[in-house]
Amino acid sequence: AQSVTQLGSHVSVSEGALVLLRCNYSSSVPPYLFWYVQYPNQGLQLLLKYTTGATLVKGINGFEAEFKKSETSFHLTKPSAHMSDAAEYFCAVRTSGNQFYFGTGTSLTVIP
Amino acid sequence: EAGVTQFPSHSVIEKGQTVTLRCDPISGHDNLYWYRRVMGKEIKFLLHFVKESKQDESGMPNNRFLAERTGGTYSTLKVQPAELEDSGVYFCASSPAGKAYEQYFGPGTRLTVT
Repeated sequence: AQSVTQLGSHVSVSEGALVLLRCNYSSSVPPYLFWYVQYPNQGLQLLLKYTTGATLVKGINGFEAEFKKSETSFHLTKPSAHMSDAAEYFCAVRTSGNQFYFGTGTSLTVIP
Repeated sequence: EAGVTQFPSHSVIEKGQTVTLRCDPISGHDNLYWYRRVMGKEIKFLLHFVKESKQDESGMPNNRFLAERTGGTYSTLKVQPAELEDSGVYFCASSPAGKAYEQYFGPGTRLTVT
């Protein structure tokens, strides 16, 4: 069975501080992994994705994530938080079918 | 290029009423998906169309939900009769043929059943 766990439903960081949002997945086959962001009153926007190849993937707005197979993790990071990063972030996995399995989301607050 | 659009953005109905949600995918995208997020929980898959055919409807909660995609363009999701537990945000996504992993999401429709 496939599942995604996002540790921490709410994360607060100071402006300029490191952002780390955690995602662990379970999958019986090599996964495709995704991070989506949802800004208030907007749809889900793809931040980055891992399909194959390089395990460190870079996305938009300075975010990156590293696929670690041994840890079944795909944590999202950004070196320096900006006020505009405040949003809800969703980790998702796609395995053998066409369904995406999402985590419960992490709401990021950036403190000035 | 226009993104995935959904209508309405919000809907408030009473228990027992009928509601129809609409999704217009990105032009040319054969794949269309419906997902739902109940408050505070994960976004869950409902079903997947390839053109006008239902490829996978394993996530549809029960027979009160009916999805259609006539002509392989826009899709509708009807809930009849609505129950309180149907409240949530309904997302639509689309992807090009052969690229099911490249799903583009709409803004969602927030449905509240009172």
